[in-house]
Amino acid sequence: DIVMTQSPDSLAVSLGERATISCKSSQSVLYASNNKNFLAWYQQRPGQPPKLLMYWTSTRESGVPDRFSGSGSGTDFTLTISSLQAEDVAIYYCQQYYSTPPTFGPGTKVEIK
Amino acid sequence: EIQLVASGGGLVKPGESLRLSCVASGFTVTNAWENWVRQAPGKGLEWVGRIKSKTDGGAIDYAAPVKGRFTISRDESKNTLYLQMNSLKVEDTAVYYCSNGWGWFGPWGQGTLVTVSP
Repeated sequence: DIVMTQSPDSLAVSLGERATISCKSSQSVLYASNNKNFLAWYQQRPGQPPKLLMYWTSTRESGVPDRFSGSGSGTDFTLTISSLQAEDVAIYYCQQYYSTPPTFGPGTKVEIK
Repeated sequence: EIQLVASGGGLVKPGESLRLSCVASGFTVTNAWENWVRQAPGKGLEWVGRIKSKTDGGAIDYAAPVKGRFTISRDESKNTLYLQMNSLKVEDTAVYYCSNGWGWFGPWGQGTLVTVSP
């Protein structure tokens, strides 16, 4: 199984400031035939189910604000919130879908400083 | 609008069985890849298994911890996905979510809580 790790475990950011979350996979999730990274990001607000933010590393799901962006390739990925808003307080998870079973990172908790 | 509503959770003892349902609206369950994902209290997300769309062969895959104990199925007439859970263990305690997707998952239902306790 591909093991996903995230850092930091948690971070506190002031409103309007940038938040950056790192995600690493134990093996590459880049599919050579289409040059796409099989990596998604989710947001889970307190008491809510997860919500898909991004797939193919950097493609935002419909309705996701453009302050959220994803980047990276191979085994190293980043989710950036360019200007943190109060509603962004949540746990963020990365997930690989390169191979079965799909696996998630342990999550990064984002709070307001 | 696509909606998924999971139900059937509850409190059971180790070794007992439970069947979860996930009623879908806004799409036909046989036309989608349907997944079960669980989240133990205070913990992260764990994929449980999936059933592929009919056009993709309808194959079913399971995570290792549940293989041989859990069974995923669907009823097209009721547009519903099921998760039959047998020989439940304490470590199966979690909120169980149903979700669409062949790779990434979305949208997600609200989830149903399964508690396995002696």
